Amino acid sequence: DGGITQSPKYLFRKEGQNVTLSCEQNLNHDAMYWYRQDPGQGLRLIYYSQIVNDFQKGDIAEGYSVSREKKESFPLTVTSAQKNPTAFYLCASSAAPGVTQYFGPGTRLLVL
Amino acid sequence: DQQVKQNSPSLSVQEGRISILNCDYTNSMFDYFLWYKKYPAEGPTFLISISSIKDKNEDGRFTVFLNKSAKHLSLHIVPSQPGDSAVYFCAASETSGTYKYIFGTGTRLKVLA
Repeated sequence: DGGITQSPKYLFRKEGQNVTLSCEQNLNHDAMYWYRQDPGQGLRLIYYSQIVNDFQKGDIAEGYSVSREKKESFPLTVTSAQKNPTAFYLCASSAAPGVTQYFGPGTRLLVL
Repeated sequence: DQQVKQNSPSLSVQEGRISILNCDYTNSMFDYFLWYKKYPAEGPTFLISISSIKDKNEDGRFTVFLNKSAKHLSLHIVPSQPGDSAVYFCAASETSGTYKYIFGTGTRLKVLA
């Protein structure tokens, strides 16, 4: 059945290390998104992609990078430049503007 | 500058009564609005949406009202059930070209048995 998968569920990062969070969707959606949620806060947009090989920075893109080589995949790399990476990361997708955005189950990133 | 605001961080309601969650926005170009429900350590689940051409949309126990002149929307849950206890986020977007959605900070609803 269709949906969005994120892996891993938990991820640990050492200081100075880059880590990559996976997001895959089989909904045939054009647009994909990455959000960050911190305790007691809302969802903040990191990056989004409207089509393959194209993506735009969101509100908090510094210290993150993405790629969109395939329609179904939108991996997020948390680089060593991101000084406060501990958060819950959510991937989402939507078919088009004006229709519902669907979310994956999330990845919790912790810094050792 | 927060374009979508949920000014009540928490709300407690007795089981069987109505829950009303509020959301305000500042950008008059927003024309599509959504409500999501979120449990801890899970992704948000879509509840209900409304286009700016409507002022009300119903789906079972959930009704969303939109007041464009006041730039205000609300989610009504009737009757409230303990399983409704979660954090509720409203989101807004401009459908004229961007795929970008702006989320509020959420309201934690607790339904008391």
